[in-house]
Amino acid sequence: KAGVTQTPRYLIKTRGQQVTLSCSPISGHRSVSWYQQTPGQGLQFLFEYFSETQRNKGNFPGRFSGRQFSNSRSEMNVSTLELGDSALYLCASTGEAATDTQYFGPGTRLTVL
Amino acid sequence: AQTVTQSQPEMSVQEAETVTLSCTYDTSESDYYLFWYKQPPSRQMILVIRQEAYKQQNATENRFSVNFQKAAKSFSLKISDSQLGDAAMYFCAYRILFSGGGADGLTFGKGTHLIIQP
Repeated sequence: KAGVTQTPRYLIKTRGQQVTLSCSPISGHRSVSWYQQTPGQGLQFLFEYFSETQRNKGNFPGRFSGRQFSNSRSEMNVSTLELGDSALYLCASTGEAATDTQYFGPGTRLTVL
Repeated sequence: AQTVTQSQPEMSVQEAETVTLSCTYDTSESDYYLFWYKQPPSRQMILVIRQEAYKQQNATENRFSVNFQKAAKSFSLKISDSQLGDAAMYFCAYRILFSGGGADGLTFGKGTHLIIQP
């Protein structure tokens, strides 16, 4: 079974631009969660989508948004990029049960100049 | 605030030796799961082991085992017979389960960088 895939793997943007990251979960998984990893703040939960609905969200500004499609693929969008948005963005997929383990993708490295 | 504390930013161990990584957490919730993930230089986050908070028995996965002390809110990871491939950042995390179904996102510690000396 293929693992979680994320595209692109690397991205360079400038301040003020917007960016869209994509995540394809493990086949059969319907839940996708997004995390931001930075050296200063560590790993922080952004939001979770299940069956095309945002089920849960962390403490991030409204510039960070996401969506999920009927095939469970998810996209994350960041508008009006700031230097502090430079980070590794990790996506994790989970089965239907809340008790299922989250399996992570390789991440997208976003650099904002 | 709910937190996870990993007090050892870096640990070093000789190959084939045993090492223990410490983790304490602070949550007022009663229903949760605990995890150890490793992140090698390739950056892919890999599950090492998980523990259901309602279970008293400590989880084990081959060379990896945990010491779960619920009252003390402590969740340490023991790696036996350390191998070069164990070198990575290790993150302790928990996930709260909601009474109405669903769960919160993972709350992570800052990580422990494990070095394996050949």
